Amino acid sequence: QVQLQQSGPGLVKPSQTLSLTCAISGDSVSSNSVAWHWIRQSPSRGLEWLGRTYYRSKWYNDYAVSVKSRIIINPDTSKNQFSLQLNSVTPEDTAVYYCARGYNYGYDYWGQGTLVTVSS
Amino acid sequence: QSALTQPASVSGSPGQSITISCTGTSSDVGSYNLVSWYQQHPGKAPKFMIYEVSKRPSGLSNRFSGSKSGNTASLTISGLQAEDEADYYCCSYAGSSTWVFGGGTKLTVL
Repeated sequence: QVQLQQSGPGLVKPSQTLSLTCAISGDSVSSNSVAWHWIRQSPSRGLEWLGRTYYRSKWYNDYAVSVKSRIIINPDTSKNQFSLQLNSVTPEDTAVYYCARGYNYGYDYWGQGTLVTVSS
Repeated sequence: QSALTQPASVSGSPGQSITISCTGTSSDVGSYNLVSWYQQHPGKAPKFMIYEVSKRPSGLSNRFSGSKSGNTASLTISGLQAEDEADYYCCSYAGSSTWVFGGGTKLTVL
């Protein structure tokens, strides 16, 4: 059974960097058949896909246009996890952030969600 | 990319069937048979319900079914039960390695 456990701070100051980690159990971040995504949810934006990382003989990343200049998603094979880094945050980045496993162009396993508030 | 369009709310009585629509464009829903659906109860993470328009994950009730016509995908729930009351979201692959979600539909079981 795949489980995704998220960790990271719930409060970030404006202009600083939001950092979250998603620890994977029951699968490998280096799997050749799935991808690892970050998705966020807010009342104003609804569910919003942010980006993904995946391994197919080498590592690839894809990012949403809306955050492309500010986002980095990194795998950590030593800890079997992946991370989200979102730079220069504003209050509009306040949301519940989810990590999820991508399977056949859907998301079959989700983390528990982390409410991140951007406020001074 | 704009969010896919879903009705804000739908309702039905126990035992009835309801359908939730998800309208996109020829760049997303209309171009790919890669629509997925999610159920979300308050305070919980979304749950994977349908993928590739009409496929159900292992173990999911066959009361849930998906379809697509042109730029509109649909989720049908038959034999409504009280526990089906939740928010439902569609999602479509939108090309160029990007995905787009619907705005969500609140299902009320009367």
